[in-house]
Amino acid sequence: AQSVTQLDSHVSVSEGTPVLLRCNYSSSYSPSLFWYVQHPNKGLQLLLKYTSAATLVKGINGFEAEFKKSETSFHLTKPSAHMSDAAEYFCVVSDSLFSGGYNKLIFGAGTRLAVHP
Amino acid sequence: EPEVTQTPSHQVTQMGQEVILRCVPISNHLYFYWYRQILGQKVEFLVSFYNNEISEKSEIFDDQFSVERPDGSNFTLKIRSTKLEDSAMYFCASTPGGSYGYTFGSGTRLTVV
Repeated sequence: AQSVTQLDSHVSVSEGTPVLLRCNYSSSYSPSLFWYVQHPNKGLQLLLKYTSAATLVKGINGFEAEFKKSETSFHLTKPSAHMSDAAEYFCVVSDSLFSGGYNKLIFGAGTRLAVHP
Repeated sequence: EPEVTQTPSHQVTQMGQEVILRCVPISNHLYFYWYRQILGQKVEFLVSFYNNEISEKSEIFDDQFSVERPDGSNFTLKIRSTKLEDSAMYFCASTPGGSYGYTFGSGTRLTVV
């Protein structure tokens, strides 16, 4: 069975400093991996996705994630945090025999990012 | 940018009542889903729907739950007799399939009293 572990439930950074949100996954197959962000009282917005193409994936708002198969990791990074980045971030794996597409998503527990002035 | 639209944004209902949560997926998407997030817990898969039938459902999705795509645009989740533990945020999602991501709606917060 596939699973996702987000290693930090809360991360606090100062504005302008780097962000690192850690995610490890377990998958029997070649996974599709996603990062979603949820701002307070808002829906889930796709930040970026990995579907077996380039291992370094660039997303919106300056976020990146690197797929490392040997470490079964898909950590999310941003060089310089902005106040508007404060939100809940979810690492997600697609429970799929095939990359991408149409099978259910399995969510991590989430990491709440706080950004201080 | 196309959106998945969910209504209502918040619904309060009495225990034992039926509720219908509504979603309008993106028009060219083929696969539809419902997820829920109980306060303080993970987002959980409920059901997936393709070609007018359920393709997969979780153990949460028991006989009290049903889904429909009545008119080719709306996608509904019905809970026949709500329980207190059904209180959660319910998210609808859709995808065209392939290597595309999933687009989520803003959610319906269901409160059962």
